[in-house]
Amino acid sequence: GIQVEQSPPDLILQEGANSTLRCNFSDSVNNLQWFHQNPWGQLINLFYIPSGTKQNGRLSATTVATERYSLLYISSSQTTDSGVYFCAVELWNNDMRFGAGTRLTVKP
Amino acid sequence: DAGVTQSPTHLIKTRGQQVTLRCSPKSGHDTVSWYQQALGQGPQFIFQYYEEEERQRGNFPDRFSGHQFPNYSSELNVNALLLGDSALYLCASSLGGPIQETQYFGPGTRLLVL
Repeated sequence: GIQVEQSPPDLILQEGANSTLRCNFSDSVNNLQWFHQNPWGQLINLFYIPSGTKQNGRLSATTVATERYSLLYISSSQTTDSGVYFCAVELWNNDMRFGAGTRLTVKP
Repeated sequence: DAGVTQSPTHLIKTRGQQVTLRCSPKSGHDTVSWYQQALGQGPQFIFQYYEEEERQRGNFPDRFSGHQFPNYSSELNVNALLLGDSALYLCASSLGGPIQETQYFGPGTRLLVL
């Protein structure tokens, strides 16, 4: 089956720093989403991005579907950005596969 | 506009018991998907319901079953609980049809099997 790999697995930043999270997938997909899971387990949708680039405040994402990867950029990080970031790909049969996540810790 | 809601928030069961989890989708959404998230891992797709039918199923045994009601709410049933079923169970809703839309997740139900 399709493999979804996220890197790095863990990331520790000082407040104000920038970061890039990567998601590689092994086959063509119908869609791709980025999520942030807060410490209470709530998954928040960040981007729905099958291709191209989108920006929302300090966050932006780029998906290059032909090369099977997506990047999530976080600029001027804040402590509230801490949590786990998941990339999830949607297969053509409506199945959705998540990566293992990147655990981000932003220190004040 | 209410988002996705799930009940109960927490649940403790013993091995061999049966459990039912409930989900109400976001207003206007007609598709409900269920996921299991073990500690430290990403969510794993269990199944998806659309128009009261199971449209797609992940790699989970038949002990996991579900139902979607005419108002689009959904239930997840797990029979003969195992210790390994302890996890956060997440429900997500979206608009179905030929083009998939963004999935919105509920807060989850934490199930502990003793």
